[in-house]
Amino acid sequence: GAVVSQHPSRVICKSGTSVKIECRSLDFQATTMFWYRQFPKQSLMLMATSNEGSKATYEQGVEKDKFLINHASLTLSTLTVTSAHPEDSSFYICSARDLAGDTGELFFGEGSRLTVL
Amino acid sequence: GQNIDQPTEMTATEGAIVQINCTYQTSGFNGLFWYQQHAGEAPTFLSYNVLDGLEEKGRFSSFLSRSKGYSYLLLKELQMKDSASYLCAVRDSNYQLIWGAGTKLIIKP
Repeated sequence: GAVVSQHPSRVICKSGTSVKIECRSLDFQATTMFWYRQFPKQSLMLMATSNEGSKATYEQGVEKDKFLINHASLTLSTLTVTSAHPEDSSFYICSARDLAGDTGELFFGEGSRLTVL
Repeated sequence: GQNIDQPTEMTATEGAIVQINCTYQTSGFNGLFWYQQHAGEAPTFLSYNVLDGLEEKGRFSSFLSRSKGYSYLLLKELQMKDSASYLCAVRDSNYQLIWGAGTKLIIKP
């Protein structure tokens, strides 16, 4: 199946700093990528839908100025957590849909565990 | 509102069979997905159902009844590595994925 790579897998940062997470589709083009957040023992929570060449669509309650999403190419989307605070500590996962496929299956990156001290 | 229900936790024995149920109420329906997620890892795709009936893939099968808003994931010949959370997700009329909270499956020897 299609491969989505996410980097970094783990990051620890100080409160107040910004962290950038990259999501790449390695063998297909993804006009749309999705960013999720997952707290321990909870399901995936969609944060935003990233559209190549246009602004991301954020879910209700997600601060667009805090979680900056850029989808500059058909294979790369980035999520920047600005001025991170301990409550931002979470598991962030990206996914992309290979439109060439038929099921609309989502392919997930490996996830990025963010710890804000 | 939109809602996906699945049991929080289930326990089964190695070598046995387990069925994880999922019921949904969504605005429209464009397919149901099952994903497996091991602790600390991203979900991996297991199955996709859009028509009623049973889809079999090796040890895993998934069933859908659209009229009942119901699906189940059947796991046979359970192995210890099957211990994971199983997520049910439904794609609604806007092609948005609505996620269930997941079922944590514990396999005992």
